Amino acid sequence: EAQVTQNPRYLITVTGKKLTVTCSQNMNHEYMSWYRQDPGLGLRQIYYSMNVEVTDKGDVPEGYKVSRKEKRNFPLILESPSPNQTSLYFCASSLSTSIGVTEAFFGQGTRLTVV
Amino acid sequence: ILNVEQSPQSLHVQEGDSTNFTCSFPSSNFYALHWYRWETAKSPEALFVMTLNGDEKKKGRISATLNTKEGYSYLYIKGSQPEDSATYLCASPKAAGNKLTFGGGTRVLVKP
Repeated sequence: EAQVTQNPRYLITVTGKKLTVTCSQNMNHEYMSWYRQDPGLGLRQIYYSMNVEVTDKGDVPEGYKVSRKEKRNFPLILESPSPNQTSLYFCASSLSTSIGVTEAFFGQGTRLTVV
Repeated sequence: ILNVEQSPQSLHVQEGDSTNFTCSFPSSNFYALHWYRWETAKSPEALFVMTLNGDEKKKGRISATLNTKEGYSYLYIKGSQPEDSATYLCASPKAAGNKLTFGGGTRVLVKP
């Protein structure tokens, strides 16, 4: 079954404690991205990756890191989480074409609370 | 239009009524326009990807049109049902480099 898998689904952590949210897709997609969703602000892109070892900042990259060492995985790293990073996070993947990306497939979401 | 914008932010529809709402996007350097449906407690799911001016797509009672020259797309729901209640998102790549930008969404609530 084609899918994007995020883990964990829920996470409560303390300020400053490094954490990683994993994302894996089994569709051989080139393009992967991370979004956060906050009330009234819609989906905002954090980072995206066009292929292995190619990553770029989205609209709200501050406080986050990513890596793309393998095509299927795109982890999101919070080196020193702060309460303003409490949010609902989505990973997504797509095929990359000459007209941009095809439809995005989303993971189940990770609800992160930083206290 | 510098960004992808959607209106209205929310709307209430009586069961059986039809409705439509708008996505506006930059008309210059257009590549594609996506529509997604996002139900509460679930993940967004793609409805349509549209690329050609004048394109029309349909899935069941939901359809969409695209005007790339003026930079807008309409999503229509015919004969709304309670299960159509969701947030509908549109998105457009900012460039061939594939940075997909989402609008704020239109939240649709269908009342029985």
